[in-house]
Amino acid sequence: DAGVIQSPRHEVTEMGQEVTLRCKPISGHDYLFWYRQTMMRGLELLIYFNNNVPIDDSGMPEDRFSAKMPNASFSTLKIQPSEPRDSAVYFCASSSSGTGEETQYFGPGTRLLVL
Amino acid sequence: SQQGEEDPQALSIQEGENATMNCSYKTSINNLQWYRQNSGRGLVHLILIRSNEREKHSGRLRVTLDTSKKSSSLLITASRAADTASYFCATDTGGGADGLTFGKGTHLIIQP
Repeated sequence: DAGVIQSPRHEVTEMGQEVTLRCKPISGHDYLFWYRQTMMRGLELLIYFNNNVPIDDSGMPEDRFSAKMPNASFSTLKIQPSEPRDSAVYFCASSSSGTGEETQYFGPGTRLLVL
Repeated sequence: SQQGEEDPQALSIQEGENATMNCSYKTSINNLQWYRQNSGRGLVHLILIRSNEREKHSGRLRVTLDTSKKSSSLLITASRAADTASYFCATDTGGGADGLTFGKGTHLIIQP
């Protein structure tokens, strides 16, 4: 298995631009999580899905952030408009409830810089 | 707010020594997990300990959990240069695969 795949790996954009981050979870996993990591705040859970349905989006910082999961193999996190304080590393993770294990498998992350 | 808080924030030891990292949390948990993050990489799961367990081993890793003190420790024995990384504890407060709450991590440096 290729693991969790994220794209792009690096993104540099200007303030006000729309940013779309993409994630492909591990095949067969029914949970998908989006996290954000910064030096100041550490790792924060933004939103997670179960069977493509958003379960908890209380971590989404504001309305500029939105996430979708149109099918079991793809999710997007969109920021519109982007701001410099959105600069961070964004991680996608997936897990399977079927095994009874709560281990989450993380992608390599997308490093976002908003100028 | 962070559920888990690791201590120390940074730790530097000589290769071959043991490294101990601690984690404290605030609310009741279902399980506690430890993850490792190498520089510029994603997190890798190391070990999971459930709330009804007190100690768990995996290779050179030993994890303890004290639910009465709301604390956990991760011991890495016979450290190697490749163990240099940041280590995070993460708490799962609900049933099933809920989102984890991470601490800010301990940055471990193993000096050759």
